[in-house]
Amino acid sequence: DSGVTQTPKHLITATGQRVTLRCSPRSGDLSVYWYQQSLDQGLQFLIQYYNGEERAKGNILERFSAQQFPDLHSELNLSSLELGDSALYFCASSAGGDEQFFGPGTRLTVL
Amino acid sequence: DQQVKQNSPSLSVQEGRISILNCDYTNSMFDYFLWYKKYPAEGPTFLISISSIKDKNEDGRFTVFLNKSAKHLSLHIVPSQPGDSAVYFCAASPPVGGADGLTFGKGTHLIIQP
Repeated sequence: DSGVTQTPKHLITATGQRVTLRCSPRSGDLSVYWYQQSLDQGLQFLIQYYNGEERAKGNILERFSAQQFPDLHSELNLSSLELGDSALYFCASSAGGDEQFFGPGTRLTVL
Repeated sequence: DQQVKQNSPSLSVQEGRISILNCDYTNSMFDYFLWYKKYPAEGPTFLISISSIKDKNEDGRFTVFLNKSAKHLSLHIVPSQPGDSAVYFCAASPPVGGADGLTFGKGTHLIIQP
């Protein structure tokens, strides 16, 4: 158990809809990262937050956004969903070092 | 453009023997490398890492070797055990000033045969 929690575990929705994925980092970790793992891709970095502020952006679509709240939990919002957005979404946290600790993931299925 | 490549999608090794997983990278500015292990339906679990200023790091049965001139790293597992069967991801930490997300390879599925 990494100490990072993600909800929900599974999410099934339709094209055009909007969903919110939630992540609680390890106790004391200020950094939260979001990654997407599609069937034919490795883990792709989406975005990082540090202590409530956006710190870095990776391959995140404009339809996607995230935020980190004062209690350090983070939410990833995915809107205008397309079939190709079906993937595993992982959240990771770190205390500032290079090691990141991953949650169990949310499997999103867009029908 | 894949900056971190794991060219073997799968690897089968007999229990008790050595498992060697390979990883190549193209960005010479990467300064930290990590290996993660992933079981089905779970998130990646951190295994071992190495700084670019070192060429070897050892932790129990796991050793990571880094060859900077060849832009190549490898993970050695010895002896291999059935519980080592999983997908192994190589990851690289970006240069200072770059995005702080890790760049991952596509993974190697390690199968330990009894």
